[in-house]
Amino acid sequence: GESVGLHLPTLSVQEGDNSIINCAYSNSASDYFIWYKQESGKGPQFIIDIRSNMDKRQGQRVTVLLNKTVKHLSLQIAATQPGDSAVYFCASISGFQKLVFGTGTRLLVSP
Amino acid sequence: DVKVTQSSRYLVKRTGEKVFLECVQDMDHENMFWYRQDPGLGLRLIYFSYDVKMKEKGDIPEGYSVSREKKERFSLILESASTNQTSMYLCASYRTRDRGLNEQFFGPGTRLTVL
Repeated sequence: GESVGLHLPTLSVQEGDNSIINCAYSNSASDYFIWYKQESGKGPQFIIDIRSNMDKRQGQRVTVLLNKTVKHLSLQIAATQPGDSAVYFCASISGFQKLVFGTGTRLLVSP
Repeated sequence: DVKVTQSSRYLVKRTGEKVFLECVQDMDHENMFWYRQDPGLGLRLIYFSYDVKMKEKGDIPEGYSVSREKKERFSLILESASTNQTSMYLCASYRTRDRGLNEQFFGPGTRLTVL
């Protein structure tokens, strides 16, 4: 079946470092991808999205890279801050509005 | 600034009870979703609705039903709660996919425990 997976369950970084969170997806028909951030006790919050006709998109301190050849998605966070500590999910859409979520990576930022 | 609210943050019910989880959004969104979130499994779609009185099964609809009588409200119903329905339940809404899911919002979640 369709799946979206993450390579690492936990990523620990030092404050100020750059963080890279990776995600693999299985459905080559996926045409829209999203990264979410979920802080403890809260629902997921949209961070950034990218459509399949792009391979890179930048936001504020975040960059998403899409490699459709190997079905891989990554989220790069520049100058990671303690407030970035959270669980990060990728999600993809194929077909009509149905999101498939990854299991999440916990980002731990130490001072 | 509240956009998606869920009726309870924590709920404890007994096996066999009928459980109602309510979700309300104030953004006039057409699309509303119910997910459950379990460790190691990510978010899994239970049911969704594209309009009032419309409902579609997601990936794991068994044991659940939904109701969408008004545009702003989407209810998840556990007809007879079971212990394997202990989970975090998340509601989400967005307007249309064409406008991008940057207008998608999740509620804070309801952590349901079935004893």
